[in-house]
Amino acid sequence: RKEVEQDPGPFNVPEGATVAFNCTYSNSASQSFFWYRQDCRKEPKLLMSVYSSGNEDGRFTAQLNRASQYISLLIRDSKLSDSATYLCVVSLYNQGGKLIFGQGTELSVKP
Amino acid sequence: EAGVAQSPRYKIIEKRQSVAFWCNPISGHATLYWYQQILGQGPKLLIQFQNNGVVDDSQLPKDRFSAERLKGVDSTLKIQPAKLEDSAVYLCASSFDSPLHFGNGTRLTVT
Repeated sequence: RKEVEQDPGPFNVPEGATVAFNCTYSNSASQSFFWYRQDCRKEPKLLMSVYSSGNEDGRFTAQLNRASQYISLLIRDSKLSDSATYLCVVSLYNQGGKLIFGQGTELSVKP
Repeated sequence: EAGVAQSPRYKIIEKRQSVAFWCNPISGHATLYWYQQILGQGPKLLIQFQNNGVVDDSQLPKDRFSAERLKGVDSTLKIQPAKLEDSAVYLCASSFDSPLHFGNGTRLTVT
């Protein structure tokens, strides 16, 4: 079983749609959680951290459920510029904060 | 602030040849990482340095891969000899606490 598993993509949605990405993690020592965005042929960049209480940044909402070891990312009113691969990332406190990346979910927003 | 610098951007070599990648992290970032990202997958940690000491190299194929960070700043990653399956993007990242800041990566093609 992979340590971090994401929805297989790609997701193809029209502009203005709401899209949700799911991620599960297997290691209960996971301490911190993040969503990274990676554009085609570019490096990953931090989109947002994920907090236990849930957090929102504009059109983006991240949720964490520690009991179910589940993380989600919701994008509302999707834009063409949201097209990218979204990577779920967990940090392991018992391994020096080692970051484990999921395989990524590709999003394509169409006009 | 200046970002993480990597070179070269692209490299094409034949199998069994050697190759080296260079990384200069963001100034003041004590932690440096090398990740391997194969097409369609998330980044996989190869090695993590804290200053010039190795924190985690559990997924580094030590029979062919080596990395060093002699003065706790720049780092080099070497592959000798290369195999076809080493074709990937090699990403260097640095951090001071969280989050990671990635360089542009080196795209390696082994033919």
